[in-house]
Amino acid sequence: GESVGLHLPTLSVQEGDNSIINCAYSNSASDYFIWYKQESGKGPQFIIDIRSNMDKRQGQRVTVLLNKTVKHLSLQIAATQPGDSAVYFCAENGPGGFKTIFGAGTRLFVKA
Amino acid sequence: NAGVTQTPKFQVLKTGQSMTLQCAQDMNHNSMYWYRQDPGMGLRLIYYSASEGTTDKGEVPNGYNVSRLNKREFSLRLESAAPSQTSVYFCASSEEGATYEQYFGPGTRLTVT
Repeated sequence: GESVGLHLPTLSVQEGDNSIINCAYSNSASDYFIWYKQESGKGPQFIIDIRSNMDKRQGQRVTVLLNKTVKHLSLQIAATQPGDSAVYFCAENGPGGFKTIFGAGTRLFVKA
Repeated sequence: NAGVTQTPKFQVLKTGQSMTLQCAQDMNHNSMYWYRQDPGMGLRLIYYSASEGTTDKGEVPNGYNVSRLNKREFSLRLESAAPSQTSVYFCASSEEGATYEQYFGPGTRLTVT
């Protein structure tokens, strides 16, 4: 079956630096991709999404890049803050429009 | 707006016991979902309800049943709990399908001994 994976399980960055979290997906038919943030003891929280007809989408301090040629997704966080410390999941929308497949997650540590 | 609420927050069951996890949303969303999250893993879809009156299996439906009681409420039932069902369960809702932002509840931590 299709899967969504992450290149690195943990990422440690200095406060104020930019963070880049990477993700590989395998289903070329997926047309909707999402990044979620999960803080300890809480449910995932939507950060940003992108559809397959786009290469880049920007939000507040976050940018998602989609490279369909190599099936790669990345989340860039500008000026990383201590409050950004969390686990970040990429997810893809599977066939049928209701089945979202999540990756295993990357834990981001922000050093003060 | 409370968003998505789940009860209980924690539960311990013995093997073979049954229980129902409750979920409610106050955002007038059409679609609702149940996921499980095992340690160090992403979420896996158990069941979803595209709209009131419909339910469908997700990736890992075995051992579970669901009921979409009305537009607001979507419950998950374990008829005969097994240790393999020890997990954190999240309910989510979205406006219309998974190509819209999903809003998640705080989760229910279930341990089956």
